[in-house]
Amino acid sequence: QVQVQESGPGLVKPSETLSLTCTVSGGSISRSSYYWGWIRQPPGKGLEWIGSIYYSGTTYNNPSLKSRVTLSVDTSKNQVSLRLSSVTAADTAVFYCARHSTWFGSNDYWGQGILVTVSS
Amino acid sequence: QSVLTQPPSVSAAPGQKVTISCSGSSSNIANNFVSWYQQFPGTAPKLLIHENTKRPSGIPDRFSGSKSGTSATLGITGLQTGDEAVYYCGAWDNSLSGGWVFGGGTKLTVL
Repeated sequence: QVQVQESGPGLVKPSETLSLTCTVSGGSISRSSYYWGWIRQPPGKGLEWIGSIYYSGTTYNNPSLKSRVTLSVDTSKNQVSLRLSSVTAADTAVFYCARHSTWFGSNDYWGQGILVTVSS
Repeated sequence: QSVLTQPPSVSAAPGQKVTISCSGSSSNIANNFVSWYQQFPGTAPKLLIHENTKRPSGIPDRFSGSKSGTSATLGITGLQTGDEAVYYCGAWDNSLSGGWVFGGGTKLTVL
């Protein structure tokens, strides 16, 4: 059974860079046919996709965030990472890591999420 | 403003049936799979329906999905109080501003 766990600081200062890691267990992140993505949810609001990365390093990014987002993968650690630069209070959200297929059938495995608050 | 459009709320009595609609466009629902997610307060979304109509293992057959053109529908029969949650639809969008897009969520109340 694939398990997904997000980790990182819960508090980031405005204008700084948010850095999160997603650790996958119970399955290899290098398994073909699956991307690993980041989705965020501001408090009380809906879901917003941030971007996705394949084990080879190929990425898809949300154009509205693209200039601030860096995705990376470390297959040796079975991890993917997210960096979001120049954060503001509007970036406060629960950040989820989730797996989706290359045929975009669904986001099937999700982490529990991590709340990141942007505040001085 | 979400790319996919869902009603903000629906309600029905225990044992009854409810449907939740999800409206999109040719760049998302019409040409890609639709998935549905259930979210309880303080927890991560959980996959209910994938590839328009398929249920993952462990999801009861009270939950069903359908798609026609640029719209999709989630159906829930035999409503239980434990079904009270927020439901989201999602699909991949092929447009230049694309990627995964979601509906704004529908709050289901079981009266």
